[in-house]
Amino acid sequence: AQKITQTQPGMFVQEKEAVTLDCTYDTSDQSYGLFWYKQPSSGEMIFLIYQGSYDEQNATEGRYSLNFQKARKSANLVISASQLGDSAMYFCAMREGSWGGGADGLTFGKGTHLIIQP
Amino acid sequence: EPEVTQTPSHQVTQMGQEVILRCVPISNHLYFYWYRQILGQKVEFLVSFYNNEISEKSEIFDDRFSVERPDGSNFTLKIRSTKLEDSAMYFCASRMTGLQETQYFGPGTRLLVL
Repeated sequence: AQKITQTQPGMFVQEKEAVTLDCTYDTSDQSYGLFWYKQPSSGEMIFLIYQGSYDEQNATEGRYSLNFQKARKSANLVISASQLGDSAMYFCAMREGSWGGGADGLTFGKGTHLIIQP
Repeated sequence: EPEVTQTPSHQVTQMGQEVILRCVPISNHLYFYWYRQILGQKVEFLVSFYNNEISEKSEIFDDRFSVERPDGSNFTLKIRSTKLEDSAMYFCASRMTGLQETQYFGPGTRLLVL
């Protein structure tokens, strides 16, 4: 079974609209972390936002927010007021288990290719 | 703003040769990682490194792979006897200690094995 599932291989969105990128995860751990990264066509991986499993509030970073629904095991990324520069691949990732000792390699989903249209 | 750097940006090698990919993590970070991304596919974890030893490795990280922190700033990934299927983008990442979970990625090294 996939640990991270991103069901939208591609999305087209009009500029200035809000967009939601879906991510569901599968873990039996109580402690875990969820991340979103952006990968533009240039190839680098840019950190966007993080949500810890014990965080009660949904994470926000500027135009990015994470809609964390623990019971549903979903961690959707919401981008408000989309811009042309938001066009990129977006990856959801998870860290499972105790991270104190460094055994915290991230598991990534297959990504969503977001295209913002003018 | 501090960032992870990687060299070279591109590497072409012949099958069977050895390659060394270099990374300079963010200076006050203590946890280091290598990931790879085969073209058009998802990012895959290879290895994590802390306190001068491997903390965790994936099935991909077989005995042809090794990592080293030869000095206080560099973190290297060596691949011996390269195979065609090693062709991928290799990302280095680093993380600060304590409660700071976020792993910051370098720009990647594109490895092509011919």
